[in-house]
Amino acid sequence: GAVVSQHPSWVICKSGTSVKIECRSLDFQATTMFWYRQFPKQSLMLMATSNEGSKATYEQGVEKDKFLINHASLTLSTLTVTSAHPEDSSFYICSAIGTGGGGITQYFGPGTRLTVL
Amino acid sequence: RKEVEQDPGPFNVPEGATVAFNCTYSNSASQSFFWYRQDCRKEPKLLMSVYSSGNEDGRFTAQLNRASQYISLLIRDSKLSDSATYLCVVMDTGRRALTFGSGTRLQVQP
Repeated sequence: GAVVSQHPSWVICKSGTSVKIECRSLDFQATTMFWYRQFPKQSLMLMATSNEGSKATYEQGVEKDKFLINHASLTLSTLTVTSAHPEDSSFYICSAIGTGGGGITQYFGPGTRLTVL
Repeated sequence: RKEVEQDPGPFNVPEGATVAFNCTYSNSASQSFFWYRQDCRKEPKLLMSVYSSGNEDGRFTAQLNRASQYISLLIRDSKLSDSATYLCVVMDTGRRALTFGSGTRLQVQP
């Protein structure tokens, strides 16, 4: 089946630093990828939709200047958390649209756990 | 009101029990429906899609009632390995983004 990888799987950083998270589709091309965030004991919340070759679409309440998304190729999207603060500590998960299931199946990466000290 | 609502549980059941989870969604434009399973500190994994006619996959049966905007999941003969959080998920086919419920925690006990 389709595989999506994320790197790093976990990261600890100091407040004020920037962190880049990579999401790769390993055996398929993904024109659309999604970035989600999950706080402890809460549901996954969509942050933004990443479209290859164009600007990302951000959900209401998500700061586009803080969460920079780049989808420069059909297999890679990156999320950069700029000037991270402790409240940005969360589980960040990407997903990519694959061709299985009628073209609507989403494949999730294993997630990146970010801890900001 | 949340777009997708689930009873958070936890549901504590013995091995072999039958357990049912329910979910309601508010967006009538939702076109696709799924149940995902999420283990602690892991990404969600697709359990099954949900169709209006109802569908079954082994011990798992999913039902959709579009008129009531209600989705269910039935697990028969529960196994210890079924212990996880079950996420009700809907998708607006136009956007293709997923909206997740907060999940129902299941703990199957020996």
